[in-house]
Amino acid sequence: IAGITQAPTSQILAAGRRMTLRCTQDMRHNAMYWYRQDLGLGLRLIHYSNTAGTTGKGEVPDGYSVSRANTDDFPLTLASAVPSQTSVYFCASSETSGGASDTQYFGPGTRLTVL
Amino acid sequence: GQNIDQPTEMTATEGAIVQINCTYQTSGFNGLFWYQQHAGEAPTFLSYNVLDGLEEKGRFSSFLSRSKGYSYLLLKELQMKDSASYLCAVRDGDYKLSFGAGTTVTVRA
Repeated sequence: IAGITQAPTSQILAAGRRMTLRCTQDMRHNAMYWYRQDLGLGLRLIHYSNTAGTTGKGEVPDGYSVSRANTDDFPLTLASAVPSQTSVYFCASSETSGGASDTQYFGPGTRLTVL
Repeated sequence: GQNIDQPTEMTATEGAIVQINCTYQTSGFNGLFWYQQHAGEAPTFLSYNVLDGLEEKGRFSSFLSRSKGYSYLLLKELQMKDSASYLCAVRDGDYKLSFGAGTTVTVRA
């Protein structure tokens, strides 16, 4: 089934540990995105990639890094996790990043708790 | 920064109509999206408006007024399965999506 997969589904992590959230899409979409969703704040963009080999910073990039080595994969790394990074993380993709009606499609999310 | 406002919660009866308003102030405008999100699940696309007016898609309709920075999502013939959060999102001048905090709709029998 075509779509976006994320792993892990959930994770409990000790503060200070390094963690990589995985995201893979099989729709051959050029653009990919990472959001965090916190109660009362809505979805906030962390990082994005308009095409393989390029990345950009979103609204809340501090403490996170991404890479885009190929079209399908867009991992998000927390170098040294802190409790404020406790959140639900969603990966999304769209066919392009500048199309008039490009719709973003979301993965199932990763629930991360940092203690 | 971007500013997108929508009510926090709404309650309606099965079979009724509910209108969820969204007002926005963004740097540039390249379209407005509505997403539905059931508890514990991913957001799923509902509708897209880039020109003023009403877009109808079955029981759901979305309206846009760019001059007023205003949109609404209309849900007709409410069903229990429509209980969810509804997210208003605006694509700004850099083609990045900014989301409102979401409106939780509860449908009562």
